[in-house]
Amino acid sequence: NAGVTQTPKFRILKIGQSMTLQCTQDMNHNYMYWYRQDPGMGLKLIYYSVGAGITDKGEVPNGYNVSRSTTEDFPLRLELAAPSQTSVYFCASSYRGVEAFFGQGTRLTVV
Amino acid sequence: GQQLNQSPQSMFIQEGEDVSMNCTSSSIFNTWLWYKQDPGEGPVLLIALYKAGELTSNGRLTAQFGITRKDSFLNISASIPSDVGIYFCAGQLDYGGSQGNLIFGKGTKLSVKP
Repeated sequence: NAGVTQTPKFRILKIGQSMTLQCTQDMNHNYMYWYRQDPGMGLKLIYYSVGAGITDKGEVPNGYNVSRSTTEDFPLRLELAAPSQTSVYFCASSYRGVEAFFGQGTRLTVV
Repeated sequence: GQQLNQSPQSMFIQEGEDVSMNCTSSSIFNTWLWYKQDPGEGPVLLIALYKAGELTSNGRLTAQFGITRKDSFLNISASIPSDVGIYFCAGQLDYGGSQGNLIFGKGTKLSVKP
């Protein structure tokens, strides 16, 4: 039972570097989300998708991009990494946009 | 943006004690969810509430959807060491609509004294 799988689990980036956080789900969910979690804070929505080919901005989209070419995959792209993007990133999916199931997270440090 | 006020921020309790935490908002929500996050893991859904006044249990956990639709409560009975973690409430404003996204509280960190 894979559920939502995120890779990598950990990553250190230098300022200005780029990377893609991978997320895939095997539950055939239409809704997918990217959240970031900073210490002592709740989860903030970065981007979400309600189906393949459809994406929209969440609360904190600046510095990120997403694509949704398939139902299963929802990668998150950081183009020019900044220290403010040091965080734990969670991908989630949902069947009907209500109950969300989360991956294990990617811990990103930008130095 | 929308805010969920979750309290308390943290709590230490003796094993066997009951625990209560709550979430309030100035906005009306259609759905309330409660998640638990263990260290180094993603949040795991504990309970989902869909109707005002609804009371739902999951083992030793009981959650209620407030009548005003602006709050929710989570109770844990007879706490045990594995209850340690961070509990998040999450509310959804727009069920099944174009957004379908959740607004999260900042969490209640639960620590149990063995």
